[in-house]
Amino acid sequence: IQLTQSPSSLSASVGDRVTITCRASQGISSYLAWYQQKPGKAPKLLIYAASTLQSGVPSRFSGSGSGTDFTLTISSLQPEDFATYYCQQLNSYLSITFGQGTRLEIK
Amino acid sequence: EVQLVESGGGLVQPGGSLRLSCAASGFTFSSYWMSWVRQAPGKGLEWVANIKQDGSEKYYVDSVKGRFTISRDNAKNSLYLQMNSLRAEDTAVYYCARVLDYGGNPDAFDIWGQGTMVTVSS
Repeated sequence: IQLTQSPSSLSASVGDRVTITCRASQGISSYLAWYQQKPGKAPKLLIYAASTLQSGVPSRFSGSGSGTDFTLTISSLQPEDFATYYCQQLNSYLSITFGQGTRLEIK
Repeated sequence: EVQLVESGGGLVQPGGSLRLSCAASGFTFSSYWMSWVRQAPGKGLEWVANIKQDGSEKYYVDSVKGRFTISRDNAKNSLYLQMNSLRAEDTAVYYCARVLDYGGNPDAFDIWGQGTMVTVSS
């Protein structure tokens, strides 16, 4: 299963509302997660099961979608949100894939 | 504190071997599927392998099948990745990760180690 994220990069300002999309090559129900990664650091889980917020993650992050089309939304960008974001499909233990990433930069 | 700590990375020649380790603490290691994920320099994330709680099921990405072996020792709270016949394209930071599973299907990788760098070069 291939995942295609768009856009690949994005420039935005503090306070902006930002949406990143992830499209799967076949239906994956709601088996989709979102991660944030900062340079030199391990990825951090933000959302799983397409829309469930991981404990400790700020409520400005939200996820939606099912089947093949998913979105990650940040309602009001904060300085610490500038990072690279990845979606991940976990339809089965046999094969797991990540999207190519979306780099979120300060405008 | 829930923690994963990788070790064993380094510089190895093409065709060589390396064994990575991941030490788990702060949770019941034997209750979780575990995974390895890698990230080549400047590139995205790539899932490498999964192993079931008791080691009875193991799955790999196609590019490492037949060369890499994932294993675990629940008595030592440790996860391993034996990497043989290494190639330049295996150069990456390797992360171990805990698999979140609420209903028999993987939900996410909720805990990650800090990563260990593997460089394959002559």
